[in-house]
Amino acid sequence: NAGVTQTPKFQVLKTGQSMTLQCAQDMNHNSMYWYRQDPGMGLRLIYYSASEGTTDKGEVPNGYNVSRLNKREFSLRLESAAPSQTSVYFCASSEARTLGPHQYFGAGTRLSVL
Amino acid sequence: AQKITQTQPGMFVQEKEAVTLDCTYDTSDPSYGLFWYKQPSSGEMIFLIYQGSYDQQNATEGRYSLNFQKARKSANLVISASQLGDSAMYFCAMREALHNAGNNRKLIWGLGTSLAVNP
Repeated sequence: NAGVTQTPKFQVLKTGQSMTLQCAQDMNHNSMYWYRQDPGMGLRLIYYSASEGTTDKGEVPNGYNVSRLNKREFSLRLESAAPSQTSVYFCASSEARTLGPHQYFGAGTRLSVL
Repeated sequence: AQKITQTQPGMFVQEKEAVTLDCTYDTSDPSYGLFWYKQPSSGEMIFLIYQGSYDQQNATEGRYSLNFQKARKSANLVISASQLGDSAMYFCAMREALHNAGNNRKLIWGLGTSLAVNP
């Protein structure tokens, strides 16, 4: 099984450029999540989607937009990248009908904004 | 206020010894789940172990066990017989039941503990 697939793995942007991070899962999970990870700050939730057709803001949504294209895919868009968005981005998914199921993570995208 | 606290930014352990990584949590929800993840230097997030608040026994998965002390609100990860490959960041996370609407079941994360295993 592929699990959670994120693309691209690495990206360098100039300030003001836009890009979309793609995420797809093949586990038929309802819930999907986008995190950013910065040194010393752990994982911070950007946006999440509890189920197909719904999205909600997490802790740090400013500067980002998301689309839950279908049950499999959840994309994260930076409309006008800023150096503060330099980070490692993780997509995750889970079957979240009960407390127990853990989140499965993609391999991450290392984004640098110059 | 921090809901998940990992007080040890860094830990060292000798190969083949056991090590305990601390995690304390804060919740008023009677129903919750606790998770530990490992993040090696390669960057991927690997699920290790889960403990439910109503589980009677401490969770174990191979060399990993969770020392769950509900009254103290602690969920420490114990790694027995440390191996060089255990060197990584370790994150504790919590999922609450009542404080999450619908099915979103977000995870609340600690800041992590960096473990180095010495040969």
